[in-house]
Amino acid sequence: ETGVTQTPRHLVMGMTNKKSLKCEQHLGHNAMYWYKQSAKKPLELMFVYSLEERVENNSVPSRFSPECPNSSHLFLHLHTLQPEDSALYLCASSARQGDTEAFFGQGTRLTVV
Amino acid sequence: QKEVEQNSGPLSVPEGAIASLNCTYSDRGSQSFFWYRQYSGKSPELIMSIYSNGDKEDGRFTAQLNKASQYVSLLIRDSQPSDSATYLCAVKGRGSTLGRLYFGRGTQLTVWP
Repeated sequence: ETGVTQTPRHLVMGMTNKKSLKCEQHLGHNAMYWYKQSAKKPLELMFVYSLEERVENNSVPSRFSPECPNSSHLFLHLHTLQPEDSALYLCASSARQGDTEAFFGQGTRLTVV
Repeated sequence: QKEVEQNSGPLSVPEGAIASLNCTYSDRGSQSFFWYRQYSGKSPELIMSIYSNGDKEDGRFTAQLNKASQYVSLLIRDSQPSDSATYLCAVKGRGSTLGRLYFGRGTQLTVWP
């Protein structure tokens, strides 16, 4: 079992649908992140949560809504997405302080039709 | 704006050769540097971290850091076809107490038999 688990692995949704991505980490970390990876672009940091408090929102459109109910779980709620939102969405976690690495989940491949 | 630059490649080397991957970053105050390997369709996997100037070796991998030149590299000795992947350079932002990372676009490496 990997330390960071994401579900679903693949998701196809229409522009009027509402769906949620789930991330769970079993590493005892206190910080969790959502990244977006599009073709030919660097990984883009979307949201940062530390101890369940959102500490960063990198100008992400409101059609993406994160939720962190506890330090082990992170959700990304999606609604009225656009085709250009199709990408690989990666969840990561890290320990709260110090020079620590981030560990990634397997990602959710999202296609908006 | 924190920037991390990598040659996108593709970089192609024969089996057994040394592959050299380069990365520059714009934030002079950055303290932590990471190399991730990402196989096609998979999530990034941490393979090296480096925090001090100089070289750090781990098996066939050597990371090199030069903070004065704002340059970090990854050398892969005795390259194997299984090393074929995209290699992502990541830099931890200045002043961050979290593992928040800024990524380059990645360099695609192909090792041919």
